[in-house]
Amino acid sequence: TQLLEQSPQFLSIQEGENLTVYCNSSSVFSSLQWYRQEPGEGPVLLVTVVTGGEVKKLKRLTFQFGDARKDSSLHITAAQPGDTGLYLCAVVSGAGSYQLTFGKGTKLSVIP
Amino acid sequence: EAGVAQSPRYKIIEKRQSVAFWCNPISGHATLYWYQQILGQGPKLLIQFQNNGVVDDSQLPKDRFSAERLKGVDSTLKIQPAKLEDSAVYLCASSFDWNTEAFFGQGTRLTVV
Repeated sequence: TQLLEQSPQFLSIQEGENLTVYCNSSSVFSSLQWYRQEPGEGPVLLVTVVTGGEVKKLKRLTFQFGDARKDSSLHITAAQPGDTGLYLCAVVSGAGSYQLTFGKGTKLSVIP
Repeated sequence: EAGVAQSPRYKIIEKRQSVAFWCNPISGHATLYWYQQILGQGPKLLIQFQNNGVVDDSQLPKDRFSAERLKGVDSTLKIQPAKLEDSAVYLCASSFDWNTEAFFGQGTRLTVV
């Protein structure tokens, strides 16, 4: 059983469209992170959400943490080809350390 | 500031051969992680070092995988003998301390044929 379920698994959209990807779990988390991984690169941290109901914005990216702290969403407005990549959600799972447990990711392709 | 350096970037070996990956963390980072990312999945933690000591290797397949960080800086991850299912990207990450943000290297893509 996957701790973090991400959907959709794949998403291909035209430049300028909006999209939302999801990260769901049956567990409650103290915080949740979103990463973007471009082909041939390691994951890069985009944001950490901590408070239930929290909304964070990073330019055209909007991240939301569910009220119950079990799920999160990432919304991209007016997607650009540079947004192409694998979007991973993760939680810090190690006791008192920064060990990360990742979902399987959503692979996004933005077509010019 | 230089990031996490990994080498080689790509490696193709036959099954039952051995292979080693090298990681140079960000200068001053005490904590080092190795993750395995199989195609279509998120990274999975293999081992965590704090300086030159192992903090957690519970998910490392110790019958074939080994890792060391002898001087508390660079680290090597070895697989011997390799299996087809070891084909993956091996990511190294480092953080200043055990409870701070980790930064990832570009990874080594291993193909076992």
